[in-house]
Amino acid sequence: AQTVTQSQPEMSVQEAETVTLSCTYDTSENNYYLFWYKQPPSRQMILVIRQEAYKQQNATENRFSVNFQKAAKSFSLKISDSQLGDTAMYFCAFMKPPGAGSYQLTFGKGTKLSVIP
Amino acid sequence: NAGVTQTPKFQVLKTGQSMTLQCAQDMNHNSMYWYRQDPGMGLRLIYYSASEGTTDKGEVPNGYNVSRLNKREFSLRLESAAPSQTSVYFCAGRGGPGTDTQYFGPGTRLTVL
Repeated sequence: AQTVTQSQPEMSVQEAETVTLSCTYDTSENNYYLFWYKQPPSRQMILVIRQEAYKQQNATENRFSVNFQKAAKSFSLKISDSQLGDTAMYFCAFMKPPGAGSYQLTFGKGTKLSVIP
Repeated sequence: NAGVTQTPKFQVLKTGQSMTLQCAQDMNHNSMYWYRQDPGMGLRLIYYSASEGTTDKGEVPNGYNVSRLNKREFSLRLESAAPSQTSVYFCAGRGGPGTDTQYFGPGTRLTVL
């Protein structure tokens, strides 16, 4: 079974600064997907960014980017120019490849990020 | 498009009572999922439906049943609620073949006394 580990239960960052959230995972699969979801106080789960394991290029979405290290099984999220609206729980998630469990997600326990004015 | 919707948003039950959590999507998702979220934990998969007419157990299925009523609707039933089922429940949908991203509903906060 896959496991996802987020080693930082809580983090804080000054507004406009950069912060990196860590995520490691354990799998024997070669092809898979990785995601970061954001959960603000509203409780809604919002997709931040996704990465396909067979792509070497790191995914980026505006101020959000990832550092995907496949050999190390590491998938960190970098938030640049942090904004107050980035305050939320962030969950790293692993998805099995197609045909091996119908795209099931395995989540880490989350990192609570606070952006300080 | 409303996306993925869930009803109710909040519910309080007594131990032993039953209830059904409703989930509907208008995004033409083939697959639908039910997760629970407990304090200090990430989301854990209860049941999923890979396609209309099929359902399968996830990581924590005990105490729950599901029904994929049609392509749009996927319900979660607690036959005899227990305090251990106090949690926030999320429904999610995923698109057609080759589409890997799951989109989540707003969640239902359930308290079992």
